[in-house]
Amino acid sequence: GAGVSQSPRYKVAKRGQDVALRCDPISGHVSLFWYQQALGQGPEFLTYFQNEAQLDKSGLPSDRFFAERPEGSVSTLKIQRTQQEDSAVYLCASSPRSGRVYEQYFGPGTRLTVT
Amino acid sequence: AQTVTQSQPEMSVQEAETVTLSCTYDTSESDYYLFWYKQPPSRQMILVIRQEAYKQQNATENRFSVNFQKAAKSFSLKISDSQLGDAAMYFCAYLAGTSGSRLTFGEGTQLTVNP
Repeated sequence: GAGVSQSPRYKVAKRGQDVALRCDPISGHVSLFWYQQALGQGPEFLTYFQNEAQLDKSGLPSDRFFAERPEGSVSTLKIQRTQQEDSAVYLCASSPRSGRVYEQYFGPGTRLTVT
Repeated sequence: AQTVTQSQPEMSVQEAETVTLSCTYDTSESDYYLFWYKQPPSRQMILVIRQEAYKQQNATENRFSVNFQKAAKSFSLKISDSQLGDAAMYFCAYLAGTSGSRLTFGEGTQLTVNP
């Protein structure tokens, strides 16, 4: 079946622009995660949804970052007034599990470059 | 807070040989999961192997096996009969068992396989 998909795969934004990154999880998966991966680093947790409820947003680096999953399926990560330090790969993962989410299936990521 | 450390930024191995990637972690919990993920240039994070902390037996998946030393908080990955397709960035990751949702990743080890 289809895996996790993300769009766009690449995004170039000028500093100060707003961007929206989309994640389509595997159908039926209740849990959805966003991670940020800076160049040469491991991914870092941003936020977690269980269905439409955002259960953990403690990893969002500032109030410029906002994520939503209004119908418990597709999710959008929005970054307002982008800054150069926002340049990274943004990974989305989904899971059929809730609670102990030890199965996470990752998408290919969106590479954001802020110029 | 949990931390994951990979002390080998780069490793190389000859095709058909065996290589071991190191990982140490720090946690005060007794119930958790450990993972090795592979990330090729396509950026898609692929699960290689998973270990539950309560299991004493080391996990194996075909040519991949782990050496899990719970007391030492060490979790190394052994790749046997290395193949060209094994070349990738490898990440060690931790998931708390009691409140497990977010993965905590190490910095990664870039593995090169020489023909």
